[in-house]
Amino acid sequence: AQSVAQPEDQVNVAEGNPLTVKCTYSVSGNPYLFWYVQYPNRGLQFLLKYITGDNLVKGSYGFEAEFNKSQTSFHLKKPSALVSDSALYFCAVRDSNRDDKIIFGKGTRLHILP
Amino acid sequence: DVKVTQSSRYLVKRTGEKVFLECVQDMDHENMFWYRQDPGLGLRLIYFSYDVKMKEKGDIPEGYSVSREKKERFSLILESASTNQTSMYLCASSLFRGGATEAFFGQGTRLTVV
Repeated sequence: AQSVAQPEDQVNVAEGNPLTVKCTYSVSGNPYLFWYVQYPNRGLQFLLKYITGDNLVKGSYGFEAEFNKSQTSFHLKKPSALVSDSALYFCAVRDSNRDDKIIFGKGTRLHILP
Repeated sequence: DVKVTQSSRYLVKRTGEKVFLECVQDMDHENMFWYRQDPGLGLRLIYFSYDVKMKEKGDIPEGYSVSREKKERFSLILESASTNQTSMYLCASSLFRGGATEAFFGQGTRLTVV
C-alpha cells in the first residue's frame, strides 16, 4: 500500500536561515510526489511536484524539493526562510501503478522566527 | 486558474441531521475527491470519483456517501451526522485519472456537529 511519512510535527527556523521539511514515501511502482502548503483557514495550495527526470524540482515562492530514490525521500527546501513561510506543509504521493488515490502525510507545521 | 468552490465555509448541524456538502469545479476535471482534515491526522480520503456516476471508497468512507450526477459537481453526504464527524472537509479535483496531475483544493468547509 502507498504511504507518506512526515517525521516532524513542527519545524522551527530563524528567518534568513535555510529550511528543510522532511518527507519519505512508500509505493509499489514509481512515485509521483507533491508538496502543498496550507495557510490558516484556507484550502491547500500546490507548491511543486516530481514526475521524472531531474531530482531537484523547483516550485512556487522559492521552494524546491529533492527526490532521492534510494532513500525514498522527497524533502522540501528553501535557501532563506521568510516569516511569511510559516504555515502547514503537506507531502503527498500517487503510485504510478495505481491511477487513483493521492495519499497525504500528516503535515508539518513550519514556524519561521523573526 | 482552476477554481474549486465549496458551498459553505462554516456549518453547524445537529446530531442525526442529514448534511450535504457541495463542491463545484470549473475546469472540466475528471477526478474529484473528498478529504477530511483533523489535527495530528493530516488529510484522510473519504471518497473519490473519476467519472460521472462513478465513485470509489477511500480510506474512511463509513458514515458518508457521495453523489456525482454532473462532471463539475461532487457532493458529500452525511446520512446521520454525529459529533465525531466534526472536522474540516476539503474537496479537490485533478485533470486526469492517475498520472502526475496535481490536485486543486477548495477553501474547505468547517463542520461542527452538536
